[in-house]
Amino acid sequence: SQQGEEDPQALSIQEGENATMNCSYKTSINNLQWYRQNSGRGLVHLILIRSNEREKHSGRLRVTLDTSKKSSSLLITASRAADTASYFCATGGAQKLVFGQGTRLTINP
Amino acid sequence: EAGVAQSPRYKIIEKRQSVAFWCNPISGHATLYWYQQILGQGPKLLIQFQNNGVVDDSQLPKDRFSAERLKGVDSTLKIQPAKLEDSAVYLCASSGGTGGSEQTQYFGPGTRLLVL
Repeated sequence: SQQGEEDPQALSIQEGENATMNCSYKTSINNLQWYRQNSGRGLVHLILIRSNEREKHSGRLRVTLDTSKKSSSLLITASRAADTASYFCATGGAQKLVFGQGTRLTINP
Repeated sequence: EAGVAQSPRYKIIEKRQSVAFWCNPISGHATLYWYQQILGQGPKLLIQFQNNGVVDDSQLPKDRFSAERLKGVDSTLKIQPAKLEDSAVYLCASSGGTGGSEQTQYFGPGTRLLVL
């Protein structure tokens, strides 16, 4: 079974707008990671946030983690066409990751 | 630094045939993972190796799937006999870097399997 559940399942926005994706999970975690998958390719690691962290930034990415609500969000600012991809959250235990079903993000020119 | 290598990239077989996938992880990474990703879903862990020992194979259908990691480096995943529902992308990943990236998994491009 998959622990993380992303919301929404699909998101379509205009280039330049911000995109927000959410992830909810069920059990305790050591960390939560976000990955991107372009069509027909492998997954690329974006960012890792540990259970004792609340917010983390990397370039145009901002991730928040609320362990009391068992939820995380990924914000992509100033979106570009190249951001079109599927985004997955993965909850981490002892080196084991459990992936959600992903959010399909489409950036329209 | 070279990434995770996988071959073949694509494979088409008929049901009941056998197939094997190969993975070469990033040099020095002790942990290797095989995932199955069915279209429209997230990756599902099939098996995790730490060096050449199995850490977790709880979701590996052992009646038809097998995997090995000889010498703690390369790994092969085999399906015998294949079923229609095995059509998926098989992803290999490795982890074990340093400097805070120990828990980051690096993925190969995947092998897309179609069973007819």
